[in-house]
Amino acid sequence: EAGVAQSPRYKIIEKRQSVAFWCNPISGHATLYWYQQILGQGPKLLIQFQNNGVVDDSQLPKDRFSAERLKGVDSTLKIQPAKLEDSAVYLCASSPLAGSSYEQYFGPGTRLTVT
Amino acid sequence: LAKTTQPISMDSYEGQEVNITCSHNNIATNDYITWYQQFPSQGPRFIIQGYKTKVTNEVASLFIPADRKSSTLSLPRVSLSDTAVYYCLVGDDAGGTSYGKLTFGQGTILTVHP
Repeated sequence: EAGVAQSPRYKIIEKRQSVAFWCNPISGHATLYWYQQILGQGPKLLIQFQNNGVVDDSQLPKDRFSAERLKGVDSTLKIQPAKLEDSAVYLCASSPLAGSSYEQYFGPGTRLTVT
Repeated sequence: LAKTTQPISMDSYEGQEVNITCSHNNIATNDYITWYQQFPSQGPRFIIQGYKTKVTNEVASLFIPADRKSSTLSLPRVSLSDTAVYYCLVGDDAGGTSYGKLTFGQGTILTVHP
């Protein structure tokens, strides 16, 4: 079974530029999550989708971050414009249950550096 | 969501059993206890989940006392490759009617020495 795929793996941009991350979850997984992990901290949930609907985006900085999950499969997370404090690893995860599940499958992440 | 407290770091040696204890004094009746492992440059990986007493799988055991205010992740005979960050999470996993939301703390950095 293929795991969660993310691209790119690394990205370096200057502040005020925009960036987009892509995630392809495990086939058949209804729920998709985006996390932000700052160095030395645990991952923080940014947004959770069930199929193509948003379940929770309470911690997403909506003035600069946006995410979509078209057709309930792939997802894109965008930052525009980026700030220095956005430097982090962005993790995508998926889970097989339509409802709640604590067994989430994480991708390798995208390491973003904002200079 | 219930807050968890776990040691910031632990050291062990190859072949030893490692026990990482997590405190969750305000755990709710519907809450489950879940542990994740994270290696450098990788996403977290689910290890084990339990509600009460003892759960064992091929990777670890999870001990939960009757009051459920703490839990202990037990890793038998660790190797160098078990060096990682271990996260304890507590939350509602009712299934079907609510949406699982993982709240990670800082985790425990386990270092296994030769």
